Amino acid sequence: DVKVTQSSRYLVKRTGEKVFLECVQDMDHENMFWYRQDPGLGLRLIYFSYDVKMKEKGDIPEGYSVSREKKERFSLILESASTNQTSMYLCASSLRERILRANTIYFGEGSWLTVV
Amino acid sequence: AQRVTQPEKLLSVFKGAPVELKCNYSYSGSPELFWYVQYSRQRLQLLLRHISRESIKGFTADLNKGETSFHLKKPFAQEEDSAMYYCALSTLNSGGSNYKLTFGKGTLLTVNP
Repeated sequence: DVKVTQSSRYLVKRTGEKVFLECVQDMDHENMFWYRQDPGLGLRLIYFSYDVKMKEKGDIPEGYSVSREKKERFSLILESASTNQTSMYLCASSLRERILRANTIYFGEGSWLTVV
Repeated sequence: AQRVTQPEKLLSVFKGAPVELKCNYSYSGSPELFWYVQYSRQRLQLLLRHISRESIKGFTADLNKGETSFHLKKPFAQEEDSAMYYCALSTLNSGGSNYKLTFGKGTLLTVNP
């Protein structure tokens, strides 16, 4: 069974703090993703990575950066947290499966971040 | 640009009634569509994908390319179907080298007893 683990379930940070959200997957997946989930806005892609040290901007990358030094780990970084970054953050992973295309994405349980 | 539209934020039905959650998409390529579900206090999980043409938990969804729709249907709703449902479209990234999922805004389904 695929396991995507987000180490922090609930965080409260102050405005201006640097925040790290960590995600680890145990299925040797090439692709990893960070989404934020907000009521009425659904899931919006922040960044994704399809290989170690590779990253690509999603739809809302502003205010975020990412790091992928190892295949199993994908970190989301808020350089200077702001109140509008209060949200649920979801990490996900998938096989590349370029040929098959019908890849499924497996999600972590999410990290609730509150910025005060 | 690709887009997924779920026109209903909230949908409420009675147990045993048919349910249809609407999803429309916009994409210039050949679409790959999925439905994901999130039950209360659980992680988001795949419900079904159009390429499999399967029925999961009594739900089905048919891709209609003419209407650019992928509506989710169930003939008889159950209380345990109450959840948030997201329609998602798999699209190529800008470099054309990999795929990513674009989600709709979600529909919260409530099935009343």
